[in-house]
Amino acid sequence: GQQLNQSPQSMFIQEGEDVSMNCTSSSIFNTWLWYKQEPGEGPVLLIALYKAGELTSNGRLTAQFGITRKDSFLNISASIPSDVGIYFCAGQDNAGNMLTFGGGTRLMVKP
Amino acid sequence: ETGVTQSPTHLIKTRGQQVTLRCSSQSGHNTVSWYQQALGQGPQFIFQYYREEENGRGNFPPRFSGLQFPNYSSELNVNALELDDSALYLCASSLGLMDEQYFGPGTRLTVT
Repeated sequence: GQQLNQSPQSMFIQEGEDVSMNCTSSSIFNTWLWYKQEPGEGPVLLIALYKAGELTSNGRLTAQFGITRKDSFLNISASIPSDVGIYFCAGQDNAGNMLTFGGGTRLMVKP
Repeated sequence: ETGVTQSPTHLIKTRGQQVTLRCSSQSGHNTVSWYQQALGQGPQFIFQYYREEENGRGNFPPRFSGLQFPNYSSELNVNALELDDSALYLCASSLGLMDEQYFGPGTRLTVT
């Protein structure tokens, strides 16, 4: 089946630093999504990408849909303590019925 | 506008028992998907319901079954519970098949 490789697995950074994480796939996706999950909660949608090459921002977050449609990255600028959580990438194929998730990037921010 | 809600929040079952988890989709959403999230992993797709019909299923055995009701709420049923079924069960709703999926808070199931 499809697999998403997400890296890094975890990051421990200083408040104010920029963060970058990425996701690669062995298969093509039509849509890439980035979610954030905090303890005891469900994933919250951050950014959705629909076209190869698309670059989209949401506040301090920027994500890009790779040209090959097999990868995506998420950048967070000027990190703050509330950015702490697990970030998941997810790909959606043209059938639309399932999301395939990466293993997550655990972000820890030191004040 | 109410988001996706799930019940119960937590429950504990014994191996071999059966369990039913419930999900209310976001207002106006006709598609519901269920995911299993084991500790430390990303969610895994179980199945999806669109307008009361199953529309795709992941690699889960038949003892995982579901329903969607006319108001688009949904149930996930698991029979003959196994220890490995212990996980966070997430429900996500979307406006339609190709739209973004919004997740509920999940139900934490522990099988002993």
